[in-house]
Amino acid sequence: KAGVTQTPRYLIKTRGQQVTLSCSPISGHRSVSWYQQTPGQGLQFLFEYFSETQRNKGNFPGRFSGRQFSNSRSEMNVSTLELGDSALYLCASSLNQVTDTQYFGPGTRLTVL
Amino acid sequence: GENVEQHPSTLSVQEGDSAVIKCTYSDSASNYFPWYKQELGKRPQLIIDIRSNVGEKKDQRIAVTLNKTAKHFSLHITETQPEDSAVYFCAASLPLKAAGNKLTFGGGTRVLVKP
Repeated sequence: KAGVTQTPRYLIKTRGQQVTLSCSPISGHRSVSWYQQTPGQGLQFLFEYFSETQRNKGNFPGRFSGRQFSNSRSEMNVSTLELGDSALYLCASSLNQVTDTQYFGPGTRLTVL
Repeated sequence: GENVEQHPSTLSVQEGDSAVIKCTYSDSASNYFPWYKQELGKRPQLIIDIRSNVGEKKDQRIAVTLNKTAKHFSLHITETQPEDSAVYFCAASLPLKAAGNKLTFGGGTRVLVKP
């Protein structure tokens, strides 16, 4: 099976812009989670989607949003970008829930100037 | 919510020695504890996990132990090799029906295996 894929791999944006990141899970996986990874804060949970519904959300401002499509592909959106949003955004897919083995994608490196 | 602390933040060992990383969690209802290895520039990969109904699990040179009473779990790597050099993350999750059903990660341990 193909692994988790994320596009784009790299993005450079300026403050105030918005960005959309995409994640394609492993075929058959219905749960998709998103994480932000930074040197200072480590790996932090953003949200989890299952069957097109957000099932859980981390402690991030409302500028961070996401959605899941009927084919389980997921997107996350960050509006009004801030310098502090610069990070590696990782998505992970699992069969049905977060406590099934989570497989990570390669991440999208977002740089906000 | 759940809080996971991981120690040490860096660990340097000689090739062939053992490495031990410890994590503590705050919510006694957590029932799933995975460990991820992340090499430089690569994605995190699951190396081993343990559930709350098991006290110990082993996979070749890697083992994880769980002490539910003390709310801590540890990763043990024996006979370390240079390719074990990476950042290791522990995590904990509450059950599916709980509000905290998400992976909460520790801060990571950078392991360097010196040849």
